[in-house]
Amino acid sequence: GENVEQHPSTLSVQEGDSAVIKCTYSDSASNYFPWYKQELGKRPQLIIDIRSNVGEKKDQRIAVTLNKTAKHFSLHITETQPEDSAVYFCAPQGGKLIFGQGTELSVKP
Amino acid sequence: KAGVTQTPRYLIKTRGQQVTLSCSPISGHRSVSWYQQTPGQGLQFLFEYFSETQRNKGNFPGRFSGRQFSNSRSEMNVSTLELGDSALYLCASSQDRKGEKLFFGSGTQLSVL
Repeated sequence: GENVEQHPSTLSVQEGDSAVIKCTYSDSASNYFPWYKQELGKRPQLIIDIRSNVGEKKDQRIAVTLNKTAKHFSLHITETQPEDSAVYFCAPQGGKLIFGQGTELSVKP
Repeated sequence: KAGVTQTPRYLIKTRGQQVTLSCSPISGHRSVSWYQQTPGQGLQFLFEYFSETQRNKGNFPGRFSGRQFSNSRSEMNVSTLELGDSALYLCASSQDRKGEKLFFGSGTQLSVL
């Protein structure tokens, strides 16, 4: 079946540093690559997404890069702030709606 | 535009009982998917409906079932509850294409005693 892995599972950075989370998938039919953010006690929310015909997309401090050949895509957060602290999920789509196991990001002031 | 609404927010049941959870998607959204979230387990996909048809199903036992109505509202049912079914159940809706740009509800927290 499809396999989705996220790394790292936890990440702690100092405010102002950059953070990178990587998502590896196995389904070669995947053509849509989103990242969701879930703050403590809240619902997941889409923060950025990319399609397979695009290699990179940026929205202010966040960006997503895609390497379709290697079957992985990454979330990049620059100039991290305490409000970036949350669990981040990747969810490459091509068939079943499978989410990565999540990365808990902690930004220390 | 109202967001995705899930009811009830909290449920306490005992083993062996059954439960029905409800999800009202954003107006105009035709796809509804359901997920089970437990600490440390991430979001486990249950099933997805589009225009009243189940299009995909995750790896859960047959005790978990769902349906979607003509107004796109969806329900999921869990029969013969087990302690391990205690979890946050989230539903998400999207406009048309499967699995893209999901909008989540706040979830139903189910506790099985």
